Amino acid sequence: KQEVTQIPAALSVPEGENLVLNCSFTDSAIYNLQWFRQDPGKGLTSLLLIQSSQREQTSGRLNASLDKSSGRSTLYIAASQPGDSATYLCAVPDTGANSKLTFGKGITLSVRP
Amino acid sequence: DTEVTQTPKHLVMGMTNKKSLKCEQHMGHRAMYWYKQKAKKPPELMFVYSYEKLSINESVPSRFSPECPNSSLLNLHLHALQPEDSALYLCASSQEIGELFFGEGSRLTVL
Repeated sequence: KQEVTQIPAALSVPEGENLVLNCSFTDSAIYNLQWFRQDPGKGLTSLLLIQSSQREQTSGRLNASLDKSSGRSTLYIAASQPGDSATYLCAVPDTGANSKLTFGKGITLSVRP
Repeated sequence: DTEVTQTPKHLVMGMTNKKSLKCEQHMGHRAMYWYKQKAKKPPELMFVYSYEKLSINESVPSRFSPECPNSSLLNLHLHALQPEDSALYLCASSQEIGELFFGEGSRLTVL
């Protein structure tokens, strides 16, 4: 059974700092990995999707990497801003059930002005 | 247009009421999902429809009844809910195996 871990649960950084959010998963036979952002009381916004054949994906100040063999993904946020404050979740499809995503518990990021 | 629209945004209902949540997408996605999310927890999958047929039911109580009238619409019919069913209900869609797009959610309160 796939398990996804995100540590730490919360992170507070000053504005302008570059930061890395970590995600680990137990079964490396994944089809893809997706990073989401969630603001309080809102839905999830897809940030980046990395296919299993890819090593990284970039969108603006965000860069996500994937190392299937070690069961790890990182989300790099450059020059963080207060508007980046949110909960960031990673998710991978379950082995043998690609329609079902297993989510990490998320990292709540606070960027201080 | 990468948008999934959910209505209503907020719903308050008594335990004897019948109500419905609605979801619509126009991205041509053939898979649609209902998730339930409690505060400070990740979303939990409830149902998956693939090509308008129910493909996954995560042992959800029968007081939740999904319906997929066509490839763009997904409903969740609610009847005789319990206070512990209060949560954020999220709809999502995707191509068969691809990027998942979520709506803003319907915040449900059961009194």
